[in-house]
Amino acid sequence: DTAVSQTPKYLVTQMGNDKSIKCEQNLGHDTMYWYKQDSKKFLKIMFSYNNKELIINETVPNRFSPKSPDKAHLNLHINSLELGDSAVYFCASSARISYNEQFFGPGTRLTVL
Amino acid sequence: QKEVEQDPGPLSVPEGAIVSLNCTYSNSAFQYFMWYRQYSRKGPELLMYTYSSGNKEDGRFTAQVDKSSKYISLFIRDSQPSDSATYLCAMRSQGGSEKLVFGKGTKLTVNP
Repeated sequence: DTAVSQTPKYLVTQMGNDKSIKCEQNLGHDTMYWYKQDSKKFLKIMFSYNNKELIINETVPNRFSPKSPDKAHLNLHINSLELGDSAVYFCASSARISYNEQFFGPGTRLTVL
Repeated sequence: QKEVEQDPGPLSVPEGAIVSLNCTYSNSAFQYFMWYRQYSRKGPELLMYTYSSGNKEDGRFTAQVDKSSKYISLFIRDSQPSDSATYLCAMRSQGGSEKLVFGKGTKLTVNP
């Protein structure tokens, strides 16, 4: 039974396109996150939602827009994709805000051509 | 200076070796220190965490925090090929919505 799932696993697209990544957790957690891991494996938080409320919004281009329809889902929509957006995007969840244990999904490998 | 510095390696050791992985940090407000393990093409998973200074042991793994030096370590005893992964340190300060700040990760290979 997958705890944190993401779709799609791989995404290859052209510059300028708009794409979405979906995330679902079945752990009953209150808090969900989006992270970006670049080619050098550097993992950086982008957004965090707690009970559908945005609580962390790092300095991310406004082409990136998260949406949390309910506390089990957190989606990421990216407009006007750029080459520099190529990375692995991880969704994660934790039981509460600031719980040290975050459960990560398998990642979505985005390649922008 | 980055908030968290971690030598990316790669680090290659023979099976059975003792491995030492380290991070330094600059933000004295950090209170919680974590080690995550990430296998190739997988998401990170929490290995251990410690609060403030001190040691914590879990099986073959020992985490150490020295807040005076702003230095944390993870020791792996009797390393196994299954320990081959990237190890990321992470830390955060105390507070309601404080984010985790990750190091760049150290890639470890344990050779049989």
